Amino acid sequence: GNSVTQMEGPVTLSEEAFLTINCTYTATGYPSLFWYVQYPGEGLQLLLKATKADDKGSNKGFEATYRKETTSFHLEKGSVQVSDSAVYFCALSSGTYKYIFGTGTRLKVLA
Amino acid sequence: NAGVTQTPKFQVLKTGQSMTLQCAQDMNHNSMYWYRQDPGMGLRLIYYSASEGTTDKGEVPNGYNVSRLNKREFSLRLESAAPSQTSVYFCASRPPGTHTDTQYFGPGTRLTVL
Repeated sequence: GNSVTQMEGPVTLSEEAFLTINCTYTATGYPSLFWYVQYPGEGLQLLLKATKADDKGSNKGFEATYRKETTSFHLEKGSVQVSDSAVYFCALSSGTYKYIFGTGTRLKVLA
Repeated sequence: NAGVTQTPKFQVLKTGQSMTLQCAQDMNHNSMYWYRQDPGMGLRLIYYSASEGTTDKGEVPNGYNVSRLNKREFSLRLESAAPSQTSVYFCASRPPGTHTDTQYFGPGTRLTVL
């Protein structure tokens, strides 16, 4: 069946550091891939998405490239800020109404 | 435009009590979902409704029932709450279309069962 695996957290970085959060997936067909962010006490909100191989999603300085050859969708940001502290979820959807979420990675950015 | 709303925000129940979590969306979306979020386990799908009048089980449906009351509203009922149902519950909706579309989430209901 379909699955998403993302790196364990928490990830603690200093402000302006480079961020990578790894996400790999298993899916039949051609899934769409998503990164959602959850700020404390809130629901999830879409950060970025990619719907086909080699697409790059980007938003708020975050980027992720859909790599079919490595079945990956790693999240990157060149310079994190304290306000980026949140939980990040990788997710996929593949031809059905269902979405599969990773377990989430907590990011803490220190000033 | 309120998006997806959920009530209540917080709830404490005793084992065996029942309650209904309410969810409504004003975006004219066809599909609606209920998830639970537990530490270290991400989001797990409880039930979903692809369209008005239909509901289907997700990954963890035991102990829950749902009602798609109309296109806007999708409620989740716990008939006899258990401590294992202590969790944060999220409702989500998705516009009509394909699997490329984004889900929109409500703010969540934090439920504690004693």
